[in-house]
Amino acid sequence: DAGVIQSPRHEVTEMGQEVTLRCKPISGHDYLFWYRQTMMRGLELLIYFNNNVPIDDSGMPEDRFSAKMPNASFSTLKIQPSEPRDSAVYFCASNPGLAVYNEQFFGPGTRLTVL
Amino acid sequence: DAKTTQPPSMDCAEGRAANLPCNHSTISGNEYVYWYRQIHSQGPQYIIHGLKNNETNEMASLIITEDRKSSTLILPHATLRDTAVYYCIVRVAEHYGQNFVFGPGTRLSVLP
Repeated sequence: DAGVIQSPRHEVTEMGQEVTLRCKPISGHDYLFWYRQTMMRGLELLIYFNNNVPIDDSGMPEDRFSAKMPNASFSTLKIQPSEPRDSAVYFCASNPGLAVYNEQFFGPGTRLTVL
Repeated sequence: DAKTTQPPSMDCAEGRAANLPCNHSTISGNEYVYWYRQIHSQGPQYIIHGLKNNETNEMASLIITEDRKSSTLILPHATLRDTAVYYCIVRVAEHYGQNFVFGPGTRLSVLP
C-alpha cells in the first residue's frame, strides 16, 4: 500500500489566492482527518470525516476554510482567500475505524506558504 | 479527557535505551495511552498503545504504572534515526475528533 498520499507537497501562493490541498486516504479506511501544524500552536485537528461525511469541523479556523470528501478515495481542503497566517504544514490522516485498533496513518504533509 | 505532561526535551546516547516518561494523572478507566512520534518534516507515526498491561512491539515497549497515572515509552537500543518529537496521548478508543489531541511532546535527541 502506498500509504496516505497528499498533493502538492509544497505550495507557495500570494495572499488572497485560492489554495486547494488534496488527500488520498488508504484504501478501506473509513475515517479521514485534516490537521494543521505550526510552531506556535502545534498539531491541530481541523476536521474529520466518517464514510465521506463530515463529522466534526469545529477545528476549522474560519469560513475561509472548507473541506470536502466526494468519495472514499479523495478529499480536499480549500482556503479561499488565503492569508499569511495560514502558512503551515497541513497533514491528512486516515484510520480503519476499528474501535480498539486506533492507529492513525499520516500522510507526508503539504507545506503551505502564503506570501 | 485526561491531559498529559511530558518533559520538553531529552538526550540519549546511541545504542542505549531511551526512556520517555509521560504523566496522565487524571486518566479515566476507559482511556488508552498512545504514543506517536514525528521525525522532522514528516507526518506523525504511530508507535504503540496500551490500556493497563505493558505492551511491546517491534519498535518499542510501553510500561504503564499500576495506578495508570504515568507511563514510560522505552526504545531499547536508540539509533540516530530515533531522533524525533515523541507525543503521549490519552483517549477513549472509540472516540475520534477533538479527543485526539497532540501536546508539545518530548524532543528526543539521540547523540552519537
